Amino acid sequence: DAGITQSPRHKVTETGTPVTLRCHQTENHRYMYWYRQDPGHGLRLIHYSYGVKDTDKGEVSDGYSVSRSKTEDFLLTLESATSSQTSVYFCATRGGLPETQYFGPGTRLLVL
Amino acid sequence: AQSVTQLDSQVPVFEEAPVELRCNYSSSVSVYLFWYVQYPNQGLQLLLKYLSGSTLVKGINGFEAEFNKSQTSFHLRKPSVHISDTAEYFCAVSDSNYQLIWGAGTKLIIKP
Repeated sequence: DAGITQSPRHKVTETGTPVTLRCHQTENHRYMYWYRQDPGHGLRLIHYSYGVKDTDKGEVSDGYSVSRSKTEDFLLTLESATSSQTSVYFCATRGGLPETQYFGPGTRLLVL
Repeated sequence: AQSVTQLDSQVPVFEEAPVELRCNYSSSVSVYLFWYVQYPNQGLQLLLKYLSGSTLVKGINGFEAEFNKSQTSFHLRKPSVHISDTAEYFCAVSDSNYQLIWGAGTKLIIKP
């Protein structure tokens, strides 16, 4: 357990509302990732960070933004949630190259 | 671009029987390979990884995997499964930027 927490763990929201998911780590890992998990797709990378204020897009970044103002926190924002963003969101961290990614417990998001 | 194929979406097997979960990847360069396990309603945790050296890698919970460069495969095996092995198993390969490319997952179903 790499000391990764995600909040909230469950959220129900309505289409068009903004949503922010938080990932917090206590390992001082440099790299942090946001994935979404959907049946039949495995994990797909949304955005990642390689340092404070350093972020980049992943495979499925449309409709999502991220911010990292501190090493320990990585925020994922859905500016205007859509039903297609209903998913389970996982945060992961990595300390160096090419070490293991460690995962948080996930956030289940339902967009009605 | 690299890709990972997990050939079976589900693998049913009787308790105490051996199991093999198949993973093939496409890459023309050296790769790092990983197997992760996801128990129901939990995050992902590392089972084992291949970085270099011996092609037979041993992981947690009695699992092992063999890296076969000529066949671009990294199949996961366990000689005798238990009901507690019920989970979804994900194969992943790192790309040149050390991002993970994920397979779609294989659900291991243990029959009593």
